Amino acid sequence: TQLLEQSPQFLSIQEGENLTVYCNSSSVFSSLQWYRQEPGEGPVLLVTVVTGGEVKKLKRLTFQFGDARKDSSLHITAAQPGDTGLYLCAGPNYGGATNKLIFGTGTLLAVQP
Amino acid sequence: EPEVTQTPSHQVTQMGQEVILRCVPISNHLYFYWYRQILGQKVEFLVSFYNNEISEKSEIFDDQFSVERPDGSNFTLKIRSTKLEDSAMYFCASSEAAGSAGELFFGEGSRLTVL
Repeated sequence: TQLLEQSPQFLSIQEGENLTVYCNSSSVFSSLQWYRQEPGEGPVLLVTVVTGGEVKKLKRLTFQFGDARKDSSLHITAAQPGDTGLYLCAGPNYGGATNKLIFGTGTLLAVQP
Repeated sequence: EPEVTQTPSHQVTQMGQEVILRCVPISNHLYFYWYRQILGQKVEFLVSFYNNEISEKSEIFDDQFSVERPDGSNFTLKIRSTKLEDSAMYFCASSEAAGSAGELFFGEGSRLTVL
């Protein structure tokens, strides 16, 4: 069974601080996606990483896919209150023909002004 | 910007009642999905739908669940006889393509509360 474990589960930081969220699995994923979910809303895709070792940047967010494609990290530089939300990693089910995504356990980030 | 829309946003029902959750996927998308998220737990896959039939379903998606695309625009999830443990946020999603090339767009969810 493919599982994605995220750490930390909860993170409360001050505006301007940096943080890293981790997404780990014992399984290899063909790609991993990161979503942000705000209360009462559905997940919104931030990025997809496909190649082992790949690094993608989205403004203050930096995403990295592990060389072995079993893990990923999300680093936020100079966090802002608007970054508050639930961050989810997700990967496609192994061998799946459709986008059956396995979601991670989530990291709830609160950025205090 | 095109979006996936879901109705109702919140439904409260009695145990044993039938519930239909409705979704309007993005118009040019061909793949449709239902996921659910029980409060405090992970987002879980329920079912995927393509070409008017179920492509894949999880073990959660038992005989009490069914999906339908009745009119070419709506995509519905029916729960025949709701149980307390069906209380969750139900998210509809759609994608233009399958596989890792197909980005999923999620609706805002329908919160189901079973009493």
